[in-house]
Amino acid sequence: DQQVKQNSPSLSVQEGRISILNCDYTNSMFDYFLWYKKYPAEGPTFLISISSIKDKNEDGRFTVFLNKSAKHLSLHIVPSQPGDSAVYFCAAMARGGADGLTFGKGTHLIIQP
Amino acid sequence: DAGVIQSPRHEVTEMGQEVTLRCKPISGHDYLFWYRQTMMRGLELLIYFNNNVPIDDSGMPEDRFSAKMPNASFSTLKIQPSEPRDSAVYFCASSRQPTGELFFGEGSRLTVL
Repeated sequence: DQQVKQNSPSLSVQEGRISILNCDYTNSMFDYFLWYKKYPAEGPTFLISISSIKDKNEDGRFTVFLNKSAKHLSLHIVPSQPGDSAVYFCAAMARGGADGLTFGKGTHLIIQP
Repeated sequence: DAGVIQSPRHEVTEMGQEVTLRCKPISGHDYLFWYRQTMMRGLELLIYFNNNVPIDDSGMPEDRFSAKMPNASFSTLKIQPSEPRDSAVYFCASSRQPTGELFFGEGSRLTVL
């Protein structure tokens, strides 16, 4: 039973436009959320995170939004660049982190020139 | 600084053989995690260690899987006997604390024929 769900296996966006990647979770104990980016043949790398006490966190072109009532978060990339083409994993953690990070299956973002 | 180092990068073996995957975490990181990535299930946490002690192994699929961390700079994940359904990419990650950013290795791609 997936506690973190990324329902779009892939997403294609034109260069320069906004990319929006979505993530839903079911465990109400999750209170810290992260996005990781993964290129082929490499390990995932940390991108951005958000605590449940916030509803938005911004870092350059990347913004993560959290809607706790809907148990939904999204990652916005503006403007999208060719180097953003990668698999993006949403991850969540309960307070204290005793259970480690739970990841979604990932969304393959393809930036079209 | 060196990142998380995993070996081998690729392993092809026959069903029934023993497989040993190795990981060297980042120096000073007290937490070490083993994840498995498959198309069907995405990134799954198998086990994690804190100060060389296994904390949560609930993700280990079955008794054929075992993990050890004999010291702060080395961990192994062993599969004996291996089966075709074990084919996946196995990632090791480390962190200073259980919450927040994990640093992943490049992964070990296992193919069991």
